[in-house]
Amino acid sequence: KQEVTQIPAALSVPEGENLVLNCSFTDSAIYNLQWFRQDPGKGLTSLLLIQSSQREQTSGRLNASLDKSSGRSTLYIAASQPGDSATYLCAVRSGNTGKLIFGQGTTLQVKP
Amino acid sequence: GAGVSQSPRYKVAKRGQDVALRCDPISGHVSLFWYQQALGQGPEFLTYFQNEAQLDKSGLPSDRFFAERPEGSVSTLKIQRTQQEDSAVYLCASSFEAYTEAFFGQGTRLTVV
Repeated sequence: KQEVTQIPAALSVPEGENLVLNCSFTDSAIYNLQWFRQDPGKGLTSLLLIQSSQREQTSGRLNASLDKSSGRSTLYIAASQPGDSATYLCAVRSGNTGKLIFGQGTTLQVKP
Repeated sequence: GAGVSQSPRYKVAKRGQDVALRCDPISGHVSLFWYQQALGQGPEFLTYFQNEAQLDKSGLPSDRFFAERPEGSVSTLKIQRTQQEDSAVYLCASSFEAYTEAFFGQGTRLTVV
């Protein structure tokens, strides 16, 4: 059974710092991995989708990497801003229906 | 539509009441998923539709939960005889195909009192 773990559960950093969020999964047989952002009381906003054949994806200040064989992904946020404060969720897609298996999220606070 | 739309945004139900939650996916998206998110947790899969066919309902927690998508677009998640443990945010997601990028709605926060 696929399990997804995110470490740390919470993170507080000063504005401007570069940071890394970690995601690990137990079964390397995945189709792709997706990172999301969730603001309090809101739905999920898709940040990046990495296919199983890819090593990384970039969007603006965000860079996500994937090492499928070791069951790990990282989300790198450059030059963090207070507006980046949110919960970040990673999810892997496997099986024959494409359902997402989520981690519990990392809650990020960027202090001005 | 521009995004996935869910209604109502908030629902308070008395224990034992039936509720219906609606999801309007992005136009043209074949795949539709329902997830349940408890406070402080990641979303958990409930059920999956490909067009009007419900191909996976393995995540539905009990037979009180029922979902449908009769015309392959709008979907409804129905919960009968609600219980306190049903209190959660219910999220709907759609994607062009099963394994492509998923887009989520704002969710419906259900509180059972």
